[in-house]
Amino acid sequence: QVLLQQSGPGLVRPSQTLSLTCSVSDGSISSGAYYWSWIRHHPGKGLEWIGYIYYSGSTQYNASLKSRLAMAIDTSKSQFSLKLSSVTAADTAVYYCAREDGSRTTFDYWGQGTLVTVSS
Amino acid sequence: QSALTQPASVSGSPGQSITISCTGTSSDVGGYNYVSWYQQHPGKAPKVMIYDVSNRPSGVSNRFSGSRSGNTATLTISGLQAEDEADYYCSSYSRTSHVLFGGGTKVTVL
Repeated sequence: QVLLQQSGPGLVRPSQTLSLTCSVSDGSISSGAYYWSWIRHHPGKGLEWIGYIYYSGSTQYNASLKSRLAMAIDTSKSQFSLKLSSVTAADTAVYYCAREDGSRTTFDYWGQGTLVTVSS
Repeated sequence: QSALTQPASVSGSPGQSITISCTGTSSDVGGYNYVSWYQQHPGKAPKVMIYDVSNRPSGVSNRFSGSRSGNTATLTISGLQAEDEADYYCSSYSRTSHVLFGGGTKVTVL
C-alpha cells in the first residue's frame, strides 16, 4: 500500500501563489514506471488534470494552466510539489496528488485532497 | 480540450444493473486502450475501479465491469448495492492533452 500525504495552506490570497507538497511513503517516486500528478476538483464539477512530473524532473502540463504552473520533485525526500501562480477565485478547488501508472494512464494511488480556497 | 461526456446522473434499485457511458473521440477513448473508471464517495479521494477499458484492480468487486464500443466506453454495475451510491468518473489517455476526465456521473440507489 502506497500512501500519498499532502501538505500546504488551505487559503491563498488572489494573485498569490498556491503551493502544495505531496510525500510518498515508499521508494516508487524514483521508479521510471510512474508519473507524479496533480489533479483538481472544482466544486460541483468534474476532475481536471493539472500536470505531472517524472522522476527525472521532466514535466507535462495542462495547456490551459501551463503559463502559471511549476512542478518540482525531490527523490531524496520522496516528495513532489506544485506551484500555481497568479491565482484567482476560479482556482478554488480540492487539489489531489496522485501516482499515475505510466503504462496505463491510470491513477492508482491518491492523496487525501486539500481544499484550497482563493479569497482575500 | 473538452472533457469526456458522461450523463449527469443514473439511478437504480438494489439488485438492478446500471450502465454509465463515457463518450470521447478517436483521439482519446476510441484510439487507445487506456480508459479508466473511478468511484468517489463524498469527501474521499477517487478510487480506481476499472483500468485499461475492462480490467479490475485486485480487491474491486466483480460487479463492476467495463467495455468500449467505438468512441464510447461503458461502466456496468451489476447487483446494485447501497454502498455503490457515489460519483463515478471516466478518464482516458488523450493524444493531445495526455489525459482527459469525464464530467462525472452521480449514481443514486433508490
